[in-house]
Amino acid sequence: QVQLQESGPGLVKPSETLSLTCTVSGGSISGYYWSWIRQPAGKGLQWIGRIYTSGSTNYNPSLKSRVTMSVDTSKNQFSLKLYSVTAADTAVYYCARTLVSHGDYLGYFDYWGQGTLVTVSS
Amino acid sequence: QSVLTQPPSVSGAPGQRVTISCTGSSSNIGAGYDVHWYQQLPGTAPQLLIYGNINRPSGVPDRFSGSKSGTSASLAITGLQAEDEADYYCQSYDSSLSGSVFGGGTKLTVL
Repeated sequence: QVQLQESGPGLVKPSETLSLTCTVSGGSISGYYWSWIRQPAGKGLQWIGRIYTSGSTNYNPSLKSRVTMSVDTSKNQFSLKLYSVTAADTAVYYCARTLVSHGDYLGYFDYWGQGTLVTVSS
Repeated sequence: QSVLTQPPSVSGAPGQRVTISCTGSSSNIGAGYDVHWYQQLPGTAPQLLIYGNINRPSGVPDRFSGSKSGTSASLAITGLQAEDEADYYCQSYDSSLSGSVFGGGTKLTVL
């Protein structure tokens, strides 16, 4: 059974960089796409982007200028960096395994981490 | 404002059937892109419920079913149970936005 676990600081100051890591256990990270999704308190889900184990990425155009994703297959981990954060970036951040179907360009999410709350505040 | 439109809430009594709609446009559902559905129980991460419009992952009861027509998709839940009380989200790809998009979510209340 694949399990994902997000880790990183729960508090980030405005204008600084949010950094999160997702550790995958129970299976190999190789050969799959992996995504980050966030959810502000009481609101809906927003796709941030995805990365393949080759390092190829797709980002949400609304966040693209501030996002970088990376993968470390030796550690079975992938990471998210979101630059120049503001209070609007406060949310629960989820990592998820991503499967691609014939009828979907970017895929759907079959395994999710439990989520980690990141608050942007001074 | 979500690209995919869902009703904010639906409700039903135990044993009843409810449907949740997901309305898109010609750049997402209407363009033929797949729709996927997720269930989010209170305080937990979303879980995949339906993928590729109509397919259930292993372990999802057959009380849950998905359909798609034109620019809309629907999730149907039959034999409603108290444990079905949750938020439900649809998801698809939008070619105009070049990204994955979610509906705003629907809160299901079991009366």
